[in-house]
Amino acid sequence: QVRLVQSGAEVKKPGASVKVSCKASGYIFSAHFMYWVRQAPGQGLEWMGWINPDNNGSNYAQKFKGRVTLTMDTSSNTAFMELSRLTSGDTAVYYCARQSVVDMATFLLDFWGLGTLVTVSS
Amino acid sequence: DVQMTQSPSSLSASVGDRVTISCRASQNINYYLNWYRQRPGAAPELLIYGASTLHSGVPSRFSGSGSGADFALTISSLQPEDFGTYYCQQTYSDITFGGGTKVEVK
Repeated sequence: QVRLVQSGAEVKKPGASVKVSCKASGYIFSAHFMYWVRQAPGQGLEWMGWINPDNNGSNYAQKFKGRVTLTMDTSSNTAFMELSRLTSGDTAVYYCARQSVVDMATFLLDFWGLGTLVTVSS
Repeated sequence: DVQMTQSPSSLSASVGDRVTISCRASQNINYYLNWYRQRPGAAPELLIYGASTLHSGVPSRFSGSGSGADFALTISSLQPEDFGTYYCQQTYSDITFGGGTKVEVK
């Protein structure tokens, strides 16, 4: 069965960086984009970006460009999200989610990790 | 950017009630609209994609409708496990989520 296992909670100081991992199993890793979505406490869902494990292509939401880097290790079927220059506003649960495609623009996030809480505090 | 607006932002309902949640896009997004449910403390779960197609394993009490810019999610008979927050998501241009609709116990 498809599983996305994320790394554990992190506490970081303002200005630091954080790197969250997402280990995939149960499907062909290179066949599905991996998305990253975050959720601040009590708030809604916010798309950060995606990475294509087949060719290492990526796309980032405008808000996070220059601050977020998505990478992957195909040997271990693991995706990574690194966010730099952290502020208290980056305190959130960070989710990875697998994308599946139905047609050219009908795609969906059908499997999600459990989330990783990142707390930014001095 | 395509903006997504959900209404209401919250509602109170009882088990067995029929519930309808609306989602409006800032432009025509055809039928590129998905719905997710997020139970408290859990990750989101896909319910409906392509505006009206039920995802595998999702109970038939859920249905989606609409196209263009106006969409709706209907739960025909609310069950205890349905309390939580619902999000619409457009995939026409990158992705954006609506602000969410919290379904609470009446």
